[in-house]
Amino acid sequence: EVRLVESGGGLVKPGGSLRLSCAASGFTFDTYTMNWVRQAPGKGLEWVSSISYGSRYIEYTDSVRGRFTVFRDNAKNSLLLQMNSLRAEDTAVYYCARDPLSASWLDYWGQGTPVTVSS
Amino acid sequence: QSVLTQPPSVSGAPGQRVTISCTGTSSNIGAGYDVHWYQQVPGTAPKLLIYGNRNRPAGVPDRFSASKSGTSASLAITGLQAEDEGDYYCQSFDSSLRGSRVFGTGTKVTVL
Repeated sequence: EVRLVESGGGLVKPGGSLRLSCAASGFTFDTYTMNWVRQAPGKGLEWVSSISYGSRYIEYTDSVRGRFTVFRDNAKNSLLLQMNSLRAEDTAVYYCARDPLSASWLDYWGQGTPVTVSS
Repeated sequence: QSVLTQPPSVSGAPGQRVTISCTGTSSNIGAGYDVHWYQQVPGTAPKLLIYGNRNRPAGVPDRFSASKSGTSASLAITGLQAEDEGDYYCQSFDSSLRGSRVFGTGTKVTVL
C-alpha cells in the first residue's frame, strides 16, 4: 500500500524557518518524481515544488523560489522541504504527492502537515 | 496563482447530473497538456479522480467522466450522490510558468 506521511509543520514567526518531511512507503521511491502542494486556509490548491527521482530536475513556483529548497533522500525514502524567510502568506497545509510519470498527474497524496506563519 | 478557471459552485439533487468546467488558455490546456481532476472531501487530502483527460483510476465509479476540447475541459458527475459533496479541482501544466503544474480555482459541489 502506498503511504505518504508528512511531518514537521507548526507555528513559526515571520522570517523564520521550518523543514517539512514526507516519509514514503509501499513503492519504489527512487523511481518517482515527488511534489509539494499547499492549501491556504479556505483556499484552493497551489503547486509548490517538484523534484525528479534522481534530483536532477527541480522546479518551484515563483512565490517560493529562492526561499524554499526541495530535496530528497532516496536511501531513506524521504522527501523534504526546507522553508526559509517564511511569510504570513506561506500559511497553509502542505501535502506531498507522487507523480507517476514525471510531469503528469498526482496519484497519491499524504494527509498534509499544517504550517502557520504568525507573530 | 490559478490560471485555470472553474465555477465556484455547482449543485444538484441526488440522481441528477452536474458538470464542472475548467477553462484555460493557449499556454496550458490549449497547448495540448493533459487535464487531471481531483476530489477533496472537507478535512481530507485531495484524491485523484481523473487522469489524462478522461481516465479513471481503479476504484473511481464510472459516474465520473471527463473530456477536453480546445482550451477547456469538463468533469461530469451523473447519478449524483450525497458522498460526492466536496471540492473539485482540475490540474494541468502551463508553458508560460517555468515547471509549473497549475490547478484550477476549485468548484464546490453541493448535493441538495
